[in-house]
Amino acid sequence: AQSVTQPDIHITVSEGASLELRCNYSYGATPYLFWYVQSPGQGLQLLLKYFSGDTLVQGIKGFEAEFKRSQSSFNLRKPSVHWSDAAEYFCAVLTNAGNMLTFGGGTRLMVKP
Amino acid sequence: NAGVTQTPKFQVLKTGQSMTLQCAQDMNHNSMYWYRQDPGMGLRLIYYSASEGTTDKGEVPNGYNVSRLNKREFSLRLESAAPSQTSVYFCATRSAAEGYTFGSGTRLTVV
Repeated sequence: AQSVTQPDIHITVSEGASLELRCNYSYGATPYLFWYVQSPGQGLQLLLKYFSGDTLVQGIKGFEAEFKRSQSSFNLRKPSVHWSDAAEYFCAVLTNAGNMLTFGGGTRLMVKP
Repeated sequence: NAGVTQTPKFQVLKTGQSMTLQCAQDMNHNSMYWYRQDPGMGLRLIYYSASEGTTDKGEVPNGYNVSRLNKREFSLRLESAAPSQTSVYFCATRSAAEGYTFGSGTRLTVV
């Protein structure tokens, strides 16, 4: 069965520092991968997605992610974090012919001034 | 454009009570989904409807029923609420071109 693991439940970084959020997936076929962000009390907003092609994908708000098939990973990065990036981040994989989006447990990002 | 609208936004139920969570979309998407979100567990799929007139179980369907009333509306019913169903519920729609669009959620507390 497919699964998504986000090893870090909480991460705290200083404003202006770089950020990497880890995501590992387990899925037999070629995965379609996503990163979502959720601000407190809000729904989920799509940051970026990977379907095929270039393994480094660019998203909104200055985020990027790299698909590494050999490591079954899809880590999210940002070179310089802003206080407004504080939120919860979810990695997800699309399975079951596109009918099931399986989420990781989420990583809560806190940004220190 | 409203996108995906969920009602109510907040609800408190007593154990054993029933209620229906409503979801309506104006995006003309065929597929609709109900997820629940619990701390540390991400979002888990309860039920989905790939098209009008069809529904299928997801990962955690026990204790829930759904109705795809028409293309726009997909409701989730709790027949006899239990404290374990305290959660935040999200409705979502999907199209091949636009991907998933999520509603803003319904926060349900069962006491």
